[in-house]
Amino acid sequence: DQQVKQNSPSLSVQEGRISILNCDYTNSMFDYFLWYKKYPAEGPTFLISISSIKDKNEDGRFTVFLNKSAKHLSLHIVPSQPGDSAVYFCAASASWMNRDDKIIFGKGTRLHILP
Amino acid sequence: DSGVTQTPKHLITATGQRVTLRCSPRSGDLSVYWYQQSLDQGLQFLIQYYNGEERAKGNILERFSAQQFPDLHSELNLSSLELGDSALYFCASSVDGYTEAFFGQGTRLTVV
Repeated sequence: DQQVKQNSPSLSVQEGRISILNCDYTNSMFDYFLWYKKYPAEGPTFLISISSIKDKNEDGRFTVFLNKSAKHLSLHIVPSQPGDSAVYFCAASASWMNRDDKIIFGKGTRLHILP
Repeated sequence: DSGVTQTPKHLITATGQRVTLRCSPRSGDLSVYWYQQSLDQGLQFLIQYYNGEERAKGNILERFSAQQFPDLHSELNLSSLELGDSALYFCASSVDGYTEAFFGQGTRLTVV
């Protein structure tokens, strides 16, 4: 039972354009969402997060949008740069009050930035 | 550098053997997570500890066990190893157990 789904295994985007990575979740108890970036042979690196009380969070070139009614979030990278080529993992967690506090990851989307 | 240290970086062992993977969390972090990443798979949650106590359990096999010690470092023990256990094992730590977790570099386990 996959609670966090990233339906696109890979995505290719031209350098300078916008990259949009999508993520869907099924567990309505999730109230905190995270994006991680992973290069080969390295551990995932935290990128940006959003709490369920917000619908948008921005950090430089990275913006995460949350649509709670659709149980959907997306990561926008503008403009895309060659160093953004990596695997991106969407993750979700629920606070201790929801008694399910573990971080669940999707399977990842491999982003290729084309020159 | 995330501040999370995992040892060893690489491990090659034979089927049927037992290994121990070690993780030192970031200073101040009380929560430790273990994840497994097999080829072409995402990050599979195994188990989480918070301040020495097991908090959440995921798809962890009965042959696997873990613990978090009073100094907050954690060990993941894998026994009766099978070829299919070959994977990258990541440890992560966070302050509170559900917000940003920071990952170590991983231990690559190869079972031959």
